[in-house]
Amino acid sequence: RKEVEQDPGPFNVPEGATVAFNCTYSNSASQSFFWYRQDCRKEPKLLMSVYSSGNEDGRFTAQLNRASQYISLLIRDSKLSDSATYLCAVWGGNMLTFGGGTRLMVKP
Amino acid sequence: GAVVSQHPSRVICKSGTSVKIECRSLDFQATTMFWYRQFPKQSLMLMATSNEGSKATYEQGVEKDKFLINHASLTLSTLTVTSAHPEDSSFYICSANGGRYTFGSGTRLTVV
Repeated sequence: RKEVEQDPGPFNVPEGATVAFNCTYSNSASQSFFWYRQDCRKEPKLLMSVYSSGNEDGRFTAQLNRASQYISLLIRDSKLSDSATYLCAVWGGNMLTFGGGTRLMVKP
Repeated sequence: GAVVSQHPSRVICKSGTSVKIECRSLDFQATTMFWYRQFPKQSLMLMATSNEGSKATYEQGVEKDKFLINHASLTLSTLTVTSAHPEDSSFYICSANGGRYTFGSGTRLTVV
């Protein structure tokens, strides 16, 4: 079993749609959680950290469920520019482990 | 702040030659840097953890004699792909923790 797992997608959605990604992790001792965005042939860029209480940044909402060991990312009112691969990442044991990424395609 | 610079961004080399990739932390000191590899449509896979002044820690399945890592200063780590082969063609990315986990811009290696 992979340490961090995501549905690879792709998720094809129309502009304005709401889309949700989930990510599960296997190490219950993991300390910090993040969502990254990666555009084609580019390095990942931090989108947001994920806190137990849930956090929101504009159209993006991230949540963490420690009991079930999963994190989620909700994108509301999708824009064409949101098309990218979204990677969840888990920090623990002095290293950051990434999920395989979920590809999002937002269409007009 | 927390800028990581990686060079070159793209390199094409002949099979059997060696390629060196540099990763620099520009505005902070990094005792630890990380090297990842990403094949097309796959996730980032940690190759090794580079430790300033000591030997790198390699992940299982990564050949330390093929992927030489040197972290001689607090701002520079290098990854040398020795005797490169076409199967080594990939996207190599470094990262460092300067308050937040920051990535270099990546190096796309093509071995022909």
